[in-house]
Amino acid sequence: DAGVTQSPTHLIKTRGQQVTLRCSPKSGHDTVSWYQQALGQGPQFIFQYYEEEERQRGNFPDRFSGHQFPNYSSELNVNALLLGDSALYLCASSYTGANVLTFGAGSRLTVL
Amino acid sequence: TQLLEQSPQFLSIQEGENLTVYCNSSSVFSSLQWYRQEPGEGPVLLVTVVTGGEVKKLKRLTFQFGDARKDSSLHITAAQPGDTGLYLCAWEGYNKLIFGAGTRLAVHP
Repeated sequence: DAGVTQSPTHLIKTRGQQVTLRCSPKSGHDTVSWYQQALGQGPQFIFQYYEEEERQRGNFPDRFSGHQFPNYSSELNVNALLLGDSALYLCASSYTGANVLTFGAGSRLTVL
Repeated sequence: TQLLEQSPQFLSIQEGENLTVYCNSSSVFSSLQWYRQEPGEGPVLLVTVVTGGEVKKLKRLTFQFGDARKDSSLHITAAQPGDTGLYLCAWEGYNKLIFGAGTRLAVHP
C-alpha cells in the first residue's frame, strides 16, 4: 500500500518563476494538507483541501495556491518565487475527522 | 514567539547514552504529538499524549505529558545511531498541526 507520493523530489527555480508541486494521498485518505519546512525549522501549515475545496489556510500570501482533484490528489502552486520560498514542501494526507497525518517525503525547492 | 518551544535545538551524543528533549509552552493543550523526521523523509508520528501526567513507552522511548498539559518530554534510553533525526512536537488544533522547531539529534557509533 503506497503512502503519500510527492513529485518532483527536487527542483531549482529562479526568482519570479512559478512552480507546481504534486501530491498523491495515501489510499483511503480524502484530505490533503500542505506544509512548508524551512531549513532548521519545523513544518508550517500552508492550507488544507477537502472535497476539492480549500478548508483552512495558514499565514501565507496569495502567491501560494492549491487545488484538489476528484481522485483526492492535490497540487501546490507558488507564483512569483522569492528566495525565501526555498524550503522543503511537505504534503500530508488523512481521512477526514482523524487527527493522524501521513506525510510524504517532500519536494525540496531551491530558488536562486 | 513560537507556541511550542523545543530544547535543546541540537544534541550530539555517543551510542549508549541517555537523553531527554523538551517541548514547552505557556498554553494548555488537549493533546500533544511527537514526530521523528529522518533526513530526506517526512515526519512520522511516534505518539500522541492526551492526559495530564500521562507516560507512554515505545521501546526505548518514554514520552511524558506534564500534569498541567503545558509541556511534554521525550526520554531515550541507550540511544542508537538509528535514533538520529529531527524530533518534533506538535499540537493538533483547528484541522492543522502546529509544530515546534524541533530538536536535531545525532547519535554517533
